[in-house]
Order: sequence, then C-alpha cells, then structure tokens
Amino acid sequence: TQLLEQSPQFLSIQEGENLTVYCNSSSVFSSLQWYRQEPGEGPVLLVTVVTGGEVKKLKRLTFQFGDARKDSSLHITAAQPGDTGLYLCAYRFSGGYQKVTFGIGTKLQVIP
Amino acid sequence: KAGVTQTPRYLIKTRGQQVTLSCSPISGHRSVSWYQQTPGQGLQFLFEYFSETQRNKGNFPGRFSGRQFSNSRSEMNVSTLELGDSALYLCASSLEGQGNSPLHFGNGTRLTVT
Repeated sequence: TQLLEQSPQFLSIQEGENLTVYCNSSSVFSSLQWYRQEPGEGPVLLVTVVTGGEVKKLKRLTFQFGDARKDSSLHITAAQPGDTGLYLCAYRFSGGYQKVTFGIGTKLQVIP
Repeated sequence: KAGVTQTPRYLIKTRGQQVTLSCSPISGHRSVSWYQQTPGQGLQFLFEYFSETQRNKGNFPGRFSGRQFSNSRSEMNVSTLELGDSALYLCASSLEGQGNSPLHFGNGTRLTVT
C-alpha cells in the first residue's frame, strides 16, 4: 500500500485544456515535494510546499498544500505538449535522516 | 555545475549474472540515494549513503548492495539477477540528504534481465 495515493494515474488531454492531479494521504506531512519526470530522464524537482494551505505558482502550474497537510494538488492551466511527463509527489518525514518516499505518479500526455 | 552522471545508460544481462551500476553525484553533494523504478511499483527506495556510510535501507533482498567512495561516487551491485530485476535504476544526490533538501537525479541505468 502506497502511503501517498496519486490520482489519476493516467491522463491524456488536448493542448490548451486545464487539468488537476492529486496527491492524498491519511498521514500528516511537514512538507511535500512535486517532481516531474520526462521520458528518458530522471525526475526533476518542481516545488516544495511546507505550510498548510500554501499555494505556489510556477508559470502555468499551481501547487496547493492542503490545510491539514495531508494532501496536495497540482493544477496546470492551458496544458502544452511540453508538459507531458510523469508527475510525482514525494515526502521525507522530518527528524533524523529519513528517506524520500514517492507516490506512484500521474502520467500525463498532452496531445498537440 | 555538472549534474548527476550514471553509467552505463543501458545494460542487458542474463539471469544469474551480476551487475554493477555507477553514479557520480553533483560536486559537493555527500548524500547519494538509489531507487528502482518499474511501471507497476513506481520509485522504490533501495538505499542511501552519506560520507561512505549506509544511512538508510529499503525493503530489498540482500542481493542488492551498494557502497560509496571517499569522493562521494557510489556504486550499486545486484547479484544473481532475476527477471524481476529488470527496471530503471535511478541515482540521486543531495547536499545533506535531510529536511527539504531536494534530490537531484541522474537519467538512470535501464537494466534488462533475460
């Protein structure tokens, strides 16, 4: 069982559409990170959210951390083919040297 | 600044053989983590090294091992390969490997076991 549940697992949309992907858990996190992995490459960090209710924007990407710090969402406005990739949420429990654990990811395909 | 370098990019091995994968972290990064990525399981944590010491270990059998050298370069070894070991193996480096310190990934080694 994944501690981080990501949905949907697959998403195929047309260029110009908006979309939201979700990262949910029953656990409370001190922070969550979002990574994007493009085909043939390793994941790249997009953002870290730390405060409950926090909203961060990265161009057309909007990240939100839930008030209770148990969930997060990523909203993409006017998706472009360059947004195609695997979107992963991840956490590292605070205290000591903890590993980073990833959700299974949302595979997004944006069709031109 | 050079990124994380993994070699080789592709490997084809036969069941029962062993394999060694290499990872060179970003200069100055002392933490190196290894992950196995498969379509069904996603990224699964293998182990993490910091200053030549294994600091964390995932739930993989003892056939999976690793080490880190004094220059922070790391290797992982898989012995007695099984078909299920076919995966993308990703290495990530981090400055200190704690808190919100981000992981910087290499582009992985694609291992195919036949």
